[in-house]
Amino acid sequence: ETGVTQSPTHLIKTRGQQVTLRCSSQSGHNTVSWYQQALGQGPQFIFQYYREEENGRGNFPPRFSGLQFPNYSSELNVNALELDDSALYLCASSVTSSSYEQYFGPGTRLTVT
Amino acid sequence: EDQVTQSPEALRLQEGESSSLNCSYTVSGLRGLFWYRQDPGKGPEFLFTLYSAGEEKEKERLKATLTKKESFLHITAPKPEDSATYLCAVSPPNYQLIWGAGTKLIIKP
Repeated sequence: ETGVTQSPTHLIKTRGQQVTLRCSSQSGHNTVSWYQQALGQGPQFIFQYYREEENGRGNFPPRFSGLQFPNYSSELNVNALELDDSALYLCASSVTSSSYEQYFGPGTRLTVT
Repeated sequence: EDQVTQSPEALRLQEGESSSLNCSYTVSGLRGLFWYRQDPGKGPEFLFTLYSAGEEKEKERLKATLTKKESFLHITAPKPEDSATYLCAVSPPNYQLIWGAGTKLIIKP
């Protein structure tokens, strides 16, 4: 069974640029959630996708957007990057949208300069 | 407002010295409380789900308990490999997890 994978591992961008982060869900999981984790903090929920539809969104502006594909892989897109966007971005997959067990990938460390 | 507070922020123990981590929560309509372990540079690893007050779960040297306002993660005779940040999260009815900031646990040999 393949776990959750994310790419890239690290990324450095300049303020104002756009970035796309990718996530491959665990086999058999149809739901993916994205989180932002600042240093020394717990994860903050960005949004969740269930069967290619957004299924809930946290308190993040519209410049954070996502996609889920038929094979349940997913993308997180962030436009007009700001310095405060520097964080670890985590994706987690689960069997269903109401499943309590979420399996996390290793994260993408984004640095905005 | 739904929120989760974990204490202490950091805890240093000697190998074999048992202790407890606290997770206090305020949430309307709790669906579940979760404990995760996070190693540096990695994503959180699922440990336990607790659904109702009085419930207990155990795994190796870890035991999680739940009351109506807080949860405890008890660590018995810890080993250096138990060193990690332990995160607590709660699920309100919309299933959007709300996380605490974590407790960084350091076990010295």
